[in-house]
Amino acid sequence: GESVGLHLPTLSVQEGDNSIINCAYSNSASDYFIWYKQESGKGPQFIIDIRSNMDKRQGQRVTVLLNKTVKHLSLQIAATQPGDSAVYFCAENPNTGFQKLVFGTGTRLLVSP
Amino acid sequence: GAGVSQSPRYKVTKRGQDVALRCDPISGHVSLYWYRQALGQGPEFLTYFNYEAQQDKSGLPNDRFSAERPEGSISTLTIQRTEQRDSAMYRCASSPRVSLTDTQYFGPGTRLTVL
Repeated sequence: GESVGLHLPTLSVQEGDNSIINCAYSNSASDYFIWYKQESGKGPQFIIDIRSNMDKRQGQRVTVLLNKTVKHLSLQIAATQPGDSAVYFCAENPNTGFQKLVFGTGTRLLVSP
Repeated sequence: GAGVSQSPRYKVTKRGQDVALRCDPISGHVSLYWYRQALGQGPEFLTYFNYEAQQDKSGLPNDRFSAERPEGSISTLTIQRTEQRDSAMYRCASSPRVSLTDTQYFGPGTRLTVL
């Protein structure tokens, strides 16, 4: 399969640790943000989203934090598991009236057993 | 139900040939998107449809690229007179409603290689 993210920033953690993946976005008008997980050879898989009128949203083992003041988004993964190893992308809707997403660079998460 | 499907999964063509990439969205999804993803990067928007109407084609690189969705379901992305720089993973996504904040669900992609 394809190799995603050959030269991406990498976060290495031990199984059971909490992981924090960060993303800076550039458009202050963006009103919708999504985190995607991409495993090698697969398409991006939705993890969690958040709208600009919120600053925190929780899912199962994942939390997204949005700081609009500094245009920063983070994904927290609790009790990281080897199956969480993948490349993680943040994406934003720039609020131009169209439904397109603009993706960030991506971060590779490596989880060691 | 089934997710987004794309065909072919791999396409190798010679420079100058035309190619057609197919996307079958999740059943019932009214919005369909095309993205292109280079190795090591996130997907880059190309174009999208609500039902059969193309809403935004600002991401198409040039006029060799076109897309259609004539019946509001299956979509085809066509690249004419392919060039080596067109080599990439082409991804399709769909979402259930016409909404700026709907989740987009991605397919497995078509890996295009232009020799």
